[in-house]
Amino acid sequence: DAKTTQPTSMDCAEGRAANLPCNHSTISGNEYVYWYRQIHSQGPQYIIHGLKNNETNEMASLIITEDRKSSTLILPHATLRDTAVYYCIPRIRTQGGSEKLVFGKGTKLTVNP
Amino acid sequence: DTAVSQTPKYLVTQMGNDKSIKCEQNLGHDTMYWYKQDSKKFLKIMFSYNNKELIINETVPNRFSPKSPDKAHLNLHINSLELGDSAVYFCASSQKRSNEQFFGPGTRLTVL
Repeated sequence: DAKTTQPTSMDCAEGRAANLPCNHSTISGNEYVYWYRQIHSQGPQYIIHGLKNNETNEMASLIITEDRKSSTLILPHATLRDTAVYYCIPRIRTQGGSEKLVFGKGTKLTVNP
Repeated sequence: DTAVSQTPKYLVTQMGNDKSIKCEQNLGHDTMYWYKQDSKKFLKIMFSYNNKELIINETVPNRFSPKSPDKAHLNLHINSLELGDSAVYFCASSQKRSNEQFFGPGTRLTVL
């Protein structure tokens, strides 16, 4: 299973872009990178995922380096409601062929007014 | 219009009791999950069901028994509750065992 390294915490000013890095140097060639977040006292929320190419949706952008050893989640205009723990999760498939999410410690992002 | 709902939201009980947590999803998904988040905030998968069939069981004690009466429901029954079972339990669902999972609001279980 690919291991990930994320900063423990980050701060961002409201309205500015929040760039959350993740190192996944042991990721295998066919493993996707998923990003989730967990706002305090709520269930985790899917944000975005990618394999090789950069991805964008209504919530965020995901930039994956060419060697796939790291990625960055970008929240283009952070708001106070984006304060949460952000998890970078490589796709893991069990022996039975099922998918499972393995959450690490994540990055606690605090958006300040 | 809640996509994944859990009941109860809070559950306080004595050691040794048996309790159940219910989960329902109205997304039409065929796969459902139970996760446990402990006091240190680590979130770990416990079980996964696909079309009512158990596909993931992550070395959870036998006291925990998931039951899926249909694709839209996955309940968690816990026998002989222990102090260490205190945690927040999250239910989730996805389509076709995908990693794009939708989580419920969680059930905070406190064992006294």
